[in-house]
Amino acid sequence: GAVVSQHPSRVICKSGTSVKIECRSLDFQATTMFWYRQFPKQSLMLMATSNEGSKATYEQGVEKDKFLINHASLTLSTLTVTSAHPEDSSFYICSARGGARDTQYFGPGTRLTVL
Amino acid sequence: GDSVTQMEGPVTLSEEAFLTINCTYTATGYPSLFWYVQYPGEGLQLLLKATKADDKGSNKGFEATYRKETTSFHLEKGSVQVSDSAVYFCALSDQSGNQFYFGTGTSLTVIP
Repeated sequence: GAVVSQHPSRVICKSGTSVKIECRSLDFQATTMFWYRQFPKQSLMLMATSNEGSKATYEQGVEKDKFLINHASLTLSTLTVTSAHPEDSSFYICSARGGARDTQYFGPGTRLTVL
Repeated sequence: GDSVTQMEGPVTLSEEAFLTINCTYTATGYPSLFWYVQYPGEGLQLLLKATKADDKGSNKGFEATYRKETTSFHLEKGSVQVSDSAVYFCALSDQSGNQFYFGTGTSLTVIP
């Protein structure tokens, strides 16, 4: 079946640094990739939608200069949290749309902790 | 707009008990409906889905039926196990498949 991976699975960084999270579709080409954020004990909130080779579309309230999304190929999207602060600590989940069933497949998530 | 309302938890059941987690939705058009499960420290896993009215999704003993007349997609399992302890999310996607709307999640704990 369609598999989506994320790297790293966990990251701890100091305040002010930037962190890059990769999302890969391993066995299919993803026409669109999505980035979600999940706060503790809450549901997933869509942050942005990206299509390969074009600029990401951000949801209202999401700072595009803080959460940089690059979708360089049909199998890779990256989310960079720039100048991270403790309030950016969260679980970040990507999904990729594609595959035989043309549905969204979710990655395992990346837990970011900013000290 | 589209939305999902999910039964609040947490839910605690004894092993082999019957499980129901309610989910209702509001949507225009013909959405697809999903149940996802999230085990501690992990991402979402698709548990089951239904793409049209009266479809029944099933997997690992869990079932849910797409009821258009009641706009519901309740999750059921006849006999839960300790290993079913997790958070369950009801979700819908619009007809384009690009917009997903998630419920707030229901935490289930099954005790031996």
